[in-house]
Amino acid sequence: NAGVTQTPKFRILKIGQSMTLQCAQDMNHNYMYWYRQDPGMGLKLIYYSVGAGITDKGEVPNGYNVSRSTTEDFPLRLELAAPSQTSVYFCATLLGGGNTEAFFGQGTRLTVV
Amino acid sequence: RKEVEQDPGPFNVPEGATVAFNCTYSNSASQSFFWYRQDCRKEPKLLMSVYSSGNEDGRFTAQLNRASQYISLLIRDSKLSDSATYLCVEGGGNKLTFGTGTQLKVEL
Repeated sequence: NAGVTQTPKFRILKIGQSMTLQCAQDMNHNYMYWYRQDPGMGLKLIYYSVGAGITDKGEVPNGYNVSRSTTEDFPLRLELAAPSQTSVYFCATLLGGGNTEAFFGQGTRLTVV
Repeated sequence: RKEVEQDPGPFNVPEGATVAFNCTYSNSASQSFFWYRQDCRKEPKLLMSVYSSGNEDGRFTAQLNRASQYISLLIRDSKLSDSATYLCVEGGGNKLTFGTGTQLKVEL
């Protein structure tokens, strides 16, 4: 079992470029989340999904898009990258919502220059 | 007011010391609370859940005070390997809300 897998681990983008951060899980969890963590800060929720075909905005959704066509995958799309999107991005899954343990991927470190 | 607030620290303690962290939450209807540990540049991992009756796991004890809306984490006999950031987490509905974390440095 791989758990939660994020790719890529590192990426440098130029301002205005686009990219997709991949997140895949083999835990058969319905709930999936994207967080960003700026240096010295906590995790801020970008988008989340409670099941295939369902997505919702979190605290900081501007500049991002998501889709959830399968239970396993929850990609995060950055359009027109900006320096403010320089951060570490974590994907997480939960078995049963906010009263259960979260399992995180290893993170994607993104720098926008 | 932030939903989950923590003292960022750092807490610098000698090996063998007892250290306690507190965390306050604003949503009185919150049902679930957790402590996560995050090592430098790594993903967070669950340390322990927090129950109203309190719970203990080895050197770690977590307490929930619903009346005052805070949770605590006590670490006894600190080890060098306990050095990390400890995240207070409130769970409700479909989401988890993370505090900014408290940094612990255990020194020789």
